[in-house]
Amino acid sequence: GDSVTQMEGPVTLSEEAFLTINCTYTATGYPSLFWYVQYPGEGLQLLLKATKADDKGSNKGFEATYRKETTSFHLEKGSVQVSDSAVYFCALVARNRDDKIIFGKGTRLHILP
Amino acid sequence: NAGVTQTPKFRILKIGQSMTLQCAQDMNHNYMYWYRQDPGMGLKLIYYSVGAGITDKGEVPNGYNVSRSTTEDFPLRLELAAPSQTSVYFCASSLAGATDTQYFGPGTRLTVL
Repeated sequence: GDSVTQMEGPVTLSEEAFLTINCTYTATGYPSLFWYVQYPGEGLQLLLKATKADDKGSNKGFEATYRKETTSFHLEKGSVQVSDSAVYFCALVARNRDDKIIFGKGTRLHILP
Repeated sequence: NAGVTQTPKFRILKIGQSMTLQCAQDMNHNYMYWYRQDPGMGLKLIYYSVGAGITDKGEVPNGYNVSRSTTEDFPLRLELAAPSQTSVYFCASSLAGATDTQYFGPGTRLTVL
């Protein structure tokens, strides 16, 4: 079935470091891909998305490119801040199942000042 | 515009008790979802609704029931609470399916003892 695999956490970085959180997917056809972020004590919120191959989603300095060749949607940021500390979820919506989203297990990110 | 609201924020139940988790949205969204989030795990879909009067099971529906009598409200009922239902529950809504941005409530932390 459709699934999302993302790197295990926690990931700990110093402020201003470069961030990559890996995400790969398994799905029939070409799904829509998402990154959601969950700040401490809050619900999830959409960070960025891409709906077709080679699309790049971006928001708040974060970027992710939809790579169909490698079935990947890795999240990157050039210079992280303490305020980026959160749990990041990669997710997909299958092309023929618009009614629900499949989340990965989440990657916890700690940024040290 | 309050977005998605959930009540209560916290609740402790004894085994065998029942309760209803309330969820409401004021964005006139058609789709609504209930998820549970267990420690260190991603979100699992319990039930979802594509409109008033229409509900469907997600990945983990056993032990839960839902109803959707209005566009705004989507309560989740727990019957005969069990320790395995200890979790954080999130309600979410989207306008027109899972590829649209999902807006999450703040969550309800439920403990069953």
